[in-house]
Amino acid sequence: TQLLEQSPQFLSIQEGENLTVYCNSSSVFSSLQWYRQEPGEGPVLLVTVVTGGEVKKLKRLTFQFGDARKDSSLHITAAQPGDTGLYLCAGDNYGQNFVFGPGTRLSVLP
Amino acid sequence: DSGVTQTPKHLITATGQRVTLRCSPRSGDLSVYWYQQSLDQGLQFLIQYYNGEERAKGNILERFSAQQFPDLHSELNLSSLELGDSALYFCASSVRSGTSAKYQETQYFGPGTRLLVL
Repeated sequence: TQLLEQSPQFLSIQEGENLTVYCNSSSVFSSLQWYRQEPGEGPVLLVTVVTGGEVKKLKRLTFQFGDARKDSSLHITAAQPGDTGLYLCAGDNYGQNFVFGPGTRLSVLP
Repeated sequence: DSGVTQTPKHLITATGQRVTLRCSPRSGDLSVYWYQQSLDQGLQFLIQYYNGEERAKGNILERFSAQQFPDLHSELNLSSLELGDSALYFCASSVRSGTSAKYQETQYFGPGTRLLVL
């Protein structure tokens, strides 16, 4: 059974700080997605990474896919209160199954 | 707006009842996934359909069932409801791209149906 772990589980920081959250597995994925979910709403796709070692930037967010395609990180620079939410990573195994991590709940205080 | 629609947005019912949740995928997407998310919990995968056929099953209870229709919309049926079934239910549709070397499947989520069982 493929599992994705995310760390930290909870993170509370001040506005302007930097942070990194991690998504780890012992399994290889064909692609990995990061989502942000706000309370009571559906997860919103942030990025999909496909190639091992790939780095994608989305404004203040930097996503990296591990060389072996087993792990990923999300780095946020100068966090803002609007970044608050639940960050979920999800791994896809060539369409055979989709696995979600438990999420990192981020709170950015003004 | 992801392009995935779900109805109803809210549903309040009593224990023992049966409800049907509806999902319309994005135009052109053939896969539909159903997830359950209880309060402060992660997404629990229930079931996946691809072009009308069941593709994968997760932790779906026997009291729950789903189907995907020829027009690709999907319904999730929840019966003999219990208090513990109160949760957000999300549907997602997916699109595939890439080659065997760089295969990519991305899910797009609907806004969810909030079910409250009293």
